[in-house]
Amino acid sequence: SQQGEEDPQALSIQEGENATMNCSYKTSINNLQWYRQNSGRGLVHLILIRSNEREKHSGRLRVTLDTSKKSSSLLITASRAADTASYFCAPRTGANNLFFGTGTRLTVIP
Amino acid sequence: NAGVTQTPKFRVLKTGQSMTLLCAQDMNHEYMYWYRQDPGMGLRLIHYSVGEGTTAKGEVPDGYNVSRLKKQNFLLGLESAAPSQTSVYFCASSYDREQFFGPGTRLTVL
Repeated sequence: SQQGEEDPQALSIQEGENATMNCSYKTSINNLQWYRQNSGRGLVHLILIRSNEREKHSGRLRVTLDTSKKSSSLLITASRAADTASYFCAPRTGANNLFFGTGTRLTVIP
Repeated sequence: NAGVTQTPKFRVLKTGQSMTLLCAQDMNHEYMYWYRQDPGMGLRLIHYSVGEGTTAKGEVPDGYNVSRLKKQNFLLGLESAAPSQTSVYFCASSYDREQFFGPGTRLTVL
C-alpha cells in the first residue's frame, strides 16, 4: 500500500500545548504532504516536504521527514481551539496521485 | 477565484437510480481527482484525470464513470446507485504538487 498511516488516531490537548502527529509510509516518495480537514469540509493543504529535506517550518507548523525510517511528524506549537480538525499525511510517489491515510483527529480544548 | 466547486452539495438517491456529480475549477489545473471518504477509511481515489480528454482509474473505480470533456470540469457518474456508494465525495485539482479540494457532496443511497 502507498498510503500514509497516521498515529495517533485521536489526540486531545489543552489550548497552548503542542500537538505532535506521526505518519508512516511504505514506499519511496518524491515528497510528503500534510492536509487539514475541518469537520464537514474539504481538505486544505498545510505543508509539503521534499524527500531530500529533513525539516520544514511554516508558521506554527514544523514537519520532519526521515526517509530511512519512512516516517514524518507534524508538530503544531501553541495550539488554538481553531486547530481542532483532522490531519492527514499523503505520501507522493512518482505519479501525481496522493495516498491519504485515515487521519489524526485533533481536539484542542479551550 | 472560486477555486474548486462541487454540485450538488447533498443528494439522496434510491437504489438503481443514476446521477452525475459535477466538479469545476477555475485555476487552469491539468490534474483533477475524485475521492470518496467513508468513516474510518480516509480518502480513497476513485478516478483521476491528467488533462482534458483523459481519465484513469484509481483505487476504487467500480460502479463509477468519469468524463473530462473540458479542462475545467470533471464529472463523476453513478449509473446504478447502490447503498455501498453512500459516502462523501470530494473533488480536487492540482497543477503540480498540492491539491485543492472542493467542499464535498454528501450522497445517500437508500
